[in-house]
Amino acid sequence: DAKTTQPTSMDCAEGRAANLPCNHSTISGNEYVYWYRQIHSQGPQYIIHGLKNNETNEMASLIITEDRKSSTLILPHATLRDTAVYYCIVRVFETSGSRLTFGEGTQLTVNP
Amino acid sequence: DVKVTQSSRYLVKRTGEKVFLECVQDMDHENMFWYRQDPGLGLRLIYFSYDVKMKEKGDIPEGYSVSREKKERFSLILESASTNQTSMYLCASSPGPTYNEQFFGPGTRLTVL
Repeated sequence: DAKTTQPTSMDCAEGRAANLPCNHSTISGNEYVYWYRQIHSQGPQYIIHGLKNNETNEMASLIITEDRKSSTLILPHATLRDTAVYYCIVRVFETSGSRLTFGEGTQLTVNP
Repeated sequence: DVKVTQSSRYLVKRTGEKVFLECVQDMDHENMFWYRQDPGLGLRLIYFSYDVKMKEKGDIPEGYSVSREKKERFSLILESASTNQTSMYLCASSPGPTYNEQFFGPGTRLTVL
């Protein structure tokens, strides 16, 4: 699996957009980019995933560069409840027993 | 909403005890997973199962075993708990073979004294 690099921590003001970067320069053509987050004392929560097109759902948007070597997760209007560790994961889309490898992620702190 | 529940939020056991961690999901998911989470090491996969009575080793299976007798239940067993198994244990499930989103339970904080 491709390795990912994320900043250790970021701050964002409440109501503003939070843009979380992830580098995955060794990504291969059949690997997807997944984002999960983990709020303190809870299990990780799936946010979004994509292959090469930009994706949007009710939680966030995922922007993947044309060369696919990096991506950005965007929380359009961050709230205090978005304070969490955000994990960027690159993984082949498997047909069974898919294994996700979580690194250390980015601690996002949303400030009032 | 998918619900993944774990039998305990906090557990304290003694070295050498046999420990059972239970996980139940209520959405008829085929795949289930056990991870442990430690500071500086992220989440690491212990075992997973893609069907009843089926199991596969993850990245760190040593010292653990699992049981999946029913589709909704996946148990993690520490045959003889050791202090280095003190950790947060997370269970997850996913719907099926062509679906990669995993749904996690709240975790069990296990302390082995």
